[in-house]
Amino acid sequence: GQQLNQSPQSMFIQEGEDVSMNCTSSSIFNTWLWYKQDPGEGPVLLIALYKAGELTSNGRLTAQFGITRKDSFLNISASIPSDVGIYFCAGHRAGGTSYGKLTFGQGTILTVHP
Amino acid sequence: KAGVTQTPRYLIKTRGQQVTLSCSPISGHRSVSWYQQTPGQGLQFLFEYFSETQRNKGNFPGRFSGRQFSNSRSEMNVSTLELGDSALYLCASSFRQANTEAFFGQGTRLTVV
Repeated sequence: GQQLNQSPQSMFIQEGEDVSMNCTSSSIFNTWLWYKQDPGEGPVLLIALYKAGELTSNGRLTAQFGITRKDSFLNISASIPSDVGIYFCAGHRAGGTSYGKLTFGQGTILTVHP
Repeated sequence: KAGVTQTPRYLIKTRGQQVTLSCSPISGHRSVSWYQQTPGQGLQFLFEYFSETQRNKGNFPGRFSGRQFSNSRSEMNVSTLELGDSALYLCASSFRQANTEAFFGQGTRLTVV
């Protein structure tokens, strides 16, 4: 099925470093969401974005809804060991057969070395 | 406030059998959606229910079905299980239909042998 193009696929960083990841699509989305998933658990919602150009922060996390509505970015500042996990972007397209359906990226695996 | 609860957490079934998974949404949430997560395909949308009606369905065969009860709890059923159905099945709930702030449960890990 259709998925968003999320990059990078994996990142290995040192504690304290900043992290950036992004998601792109060939189609417009009305909402962008960022989730984090720990092993054996379900995804946890981190940030939701509803307007093109919107910049939203949640603690050390900052995400942006791209102006073209075809992309989104997530930044994590001053990473800590508990940031380890898989980060997913998800988009929602209002109307038609997309109603109520989230389309997910393939995920970015983040490893933080102490 | 309790989160989304999925039961069972783990399940092992044999090819050809059928299975029913259960999801209790966050109290007050009326929309429930289901996703299949596999290493190869990632997170794929199965279906969404609101007010006991299926409002949208993903590209899965008819062996995958679901329903929602009047208390918003939902079940999904997979009949004639195949090895490729092995996956983590995730349920998400939202306050309103297509309210995109979807909150996920821990999932049910289904293994088909």
